[in-house]
Amino acid sequence: GEDVEQSLFLSVREGDSSVINCTYTDSSSTYLYWYKQEPGAGLQLLTYIFSNMDMKQDQRLTVLLNKKDKHLSLRIADTQTGDSAIYFCAESPSSNTGKLIFGQGTTLQVKP
Amino acid sequence: EPEVTQTPSHQVTQMGQEVILRCVPISNHLYFYWYRQILGQKVEFLVSFYNNEISEKSEIFDDQFSVERPDGSNFTLKIRSTKLEDSAMYFCASSGTGYEQYFGPGTRLTVT
Repeated sequence: GEDVEQSLFLSVREGDSSVINCTYTDSSSTYLYWYKQEPGAGLQLLTYIFSNMDMKQDQRLTVLLNKKDKHLSLRIADTQTGDSAIYFCAESPSSNTGKLIFGQGTTLQVKP
Repeated sequence: EPEVTQTPSHQVTQMGQEVILRCVPISNHLYFYWYRQILGQKVEFLVSFYNNEISEKSEIFDDQFSVERPDGSNFTLKIRSTKLEDSAMYFCASSGTGYEQYFGPGTRLTVT
């Protein structure tokens, strides 16, 4: 079935790079997404990648997609304390209805 | 910047009561979604809605749930007879393309 898995917690020092990893099961997923959730807030769309790409860069964010291994990662360069949040990976299965399947979220803690 | 809004932010209801959660999607968006997140669990897809009809629903979305777009701006989720296990954060999302989904801040539903 459709499933997305992430590690639960990552702690980094301010200024370091953060890498959040995700694996998914549906090999026919068309888009893969990263969302950010700050305390008490909704899900903010950070970036997404189409399945025929293997990399996408957007300012401090780099998304890498390994379709063979069904592995997605989000790299945040020069991590700041304001990046502390929960990061969700999501896939859009091939149902064409746009539904998203989410991972359980990775809590990123940035230490000063 | 346009955003999805949801009301109320917190709803407390007694078991067996009906609740209506309201959402105002981003203007000109055509695809609408409801998700929920039970505390400590993954964000789960409930239903997608396009062209005034449900395009997909999950097994969670049983007969006690319904959605409606009563006018050109609102999108509602009704739970007819709430159960304790319906306690969760409910997120509305909308999309103009069916690919990028923008989420509202959520409604926390507490069933007592």
